[in-house]
Amino acid sequence: TQLLEQSPQFLSIQEGENLTVYCNSSSVFSSLQWYRQEPGEGPVLLVTVVTGGEVKKLKRLTFQFGDARKDSSLHITAAQPGDTGLYLCAGGGRTYKYIFGTGTRLKVLA
Amino acid sequence: GAGVSQSPSNKVTEKGKDVELRCDPISGHTALYWYRQRLGQGLEFLIYFQGNSAPDKSGLPSDRFSAERTGESVSTLTIQRTQQEDSAVYLCASSRDSYTGELFFGEGSRLTVL
Repeated sequence: TQLLEQSPQFLSIQEGENLTVYCNSSSVFSSLQWYRQEPGEGPVLLVTVVTGGEVKKLKRLTFQFGDARKDSSLHITAAQPGDTGLYLCAGGGRTYKYIFGTGTRLKVLA
Repeated sequence: GAGVSQSPSNKVTEKGKDVELRCDPISGHTALYWYRQRLGQGLEFLIYFQGNSAPDKSGLPSDRFSAERTGESVSTLTIQRTQQEDSAVYLCASSRDSYTGELFFGEGSRLTVL
């Protein structure tokens, strides 16, 4: 069974602080995605990484795919209240099934 | 509409009743997914459709759960004899195909079983 564990589960920080969220698995994935979900809405895709070691930047967000394609990290620089939400990683294999992580709930205080 | 549409948005039912949840995917999207999300948790994969075929139903929690899809259009998730542990948000997502990777989610159907 493929599992994706995220850490931390909960994170409450002050505006302007930096943070890193981790997504780990014992399985290898062909691709790794990060989504953000706000209350009452479905998750929205932030980024897809497909190559081991790949780093992608989206404004203040930096995503990295581990060399072995088993783990990923999301780093947010100078967090803002608008970054508040549930962050989910999702692993894709050679088939259709996208396995979602356990989620990290981030709250950024003004 | 342009996005994935789910109905009802909220459903409260009594234990033992059957419920049907509906998903209208984005037009032209051949892949359709159902996930379950318990309060404050991640997404649990239920079932996937490619067209109207469901290659893998292994994520369905029990035989009380079933799903069907008409062509490359509407899908319904049916839960028979609902139990309190079925209470959750049921999310539907569609994708242009199963290889492009981006899932577009609806807002979900929140099911509460009393």
